[in-house]
Amino acid sequence: GENVEQHPSTLSVQEGDSAVIKCTYSDSASNYFPWYKQELGKRPQLIIDIRSNVGEKKDQRIAVTLNKTAKHFSLHITETQPEDSAVYFCAASITPGRSSASKIIFGSGTRLSIRP
Amino acid sequence: SAVISQKPSRDICQRGTSLTIQCQVDSQVTMMFWYRQQPGQSLTLIATANQGSEATYESGFVIDKFPISRPNLTFSTLTVSNMSPEDSSIYLCSVREPALSYEQYFGPGTRLTVT
Repeated sequence: GENVEQHPSTLSVQEGDSAVIKCTYSDSASNYFPWYKQELGKRPQLIIDIRSNVGEKKDQRIAVTLNKTAKHFSLHITETQPEDSAVYFCAASITPGRSSASKIIFGSGTRLSIRP
Repeated sequence: SAVISQKPSRDICQRGTSLTIQCQVDSQVTMMFWYRQQPGQSLTLIATANQGSEATYESGFVIDKFPISRPNLTFSTLTVSNMSPEDSSIYLCSVREPALSYEQYFGPGTRLTVT
């Protein structure tokens, strides 16, 4: 089955600097890669995702890149702000509809802290 | 996206007892899932709740311990049976909407403490 590894486990950056979180996946059939942000005591929120037919996707200050050959993908946050402090999870999934493989598997999470 | 609610939001239970968690969605969804998130950890998929048939469990999770019901396309329950302190965790239901999309959304979670 799919296995997703995420690094680093903790990350502290100065406000205004950039943050990068990296993930690798094991199943070459995976073709959907969402990122979730979870603030303390709250539910995970989908913040951005990328499909395997796309190499990069950007939404304001956040961007994701995907390298299918190397089976890794990354989250980039630019101009970090205090409200970016949270735990971020990467995940991987196989296309919905492909029987029992249709599920999302999560990485271990990265606790991002933004220093004022 | 669909509005997902869970009951109870939290509970403290004694070991050996069982707790049933409800998940209600404000629209019909085909795919519903149950996850567990232990303190400070990631989300682990327990099972896929299939409407009208038995749930599909992930490795390490069994029906006797985590029975799941899915009577219709807007509702599911997860029971944590014969609880022990190791079951203390947050339990989250999740839906994929629309059915053939990729996006998956989470309920607010149920924080369970077993003493």
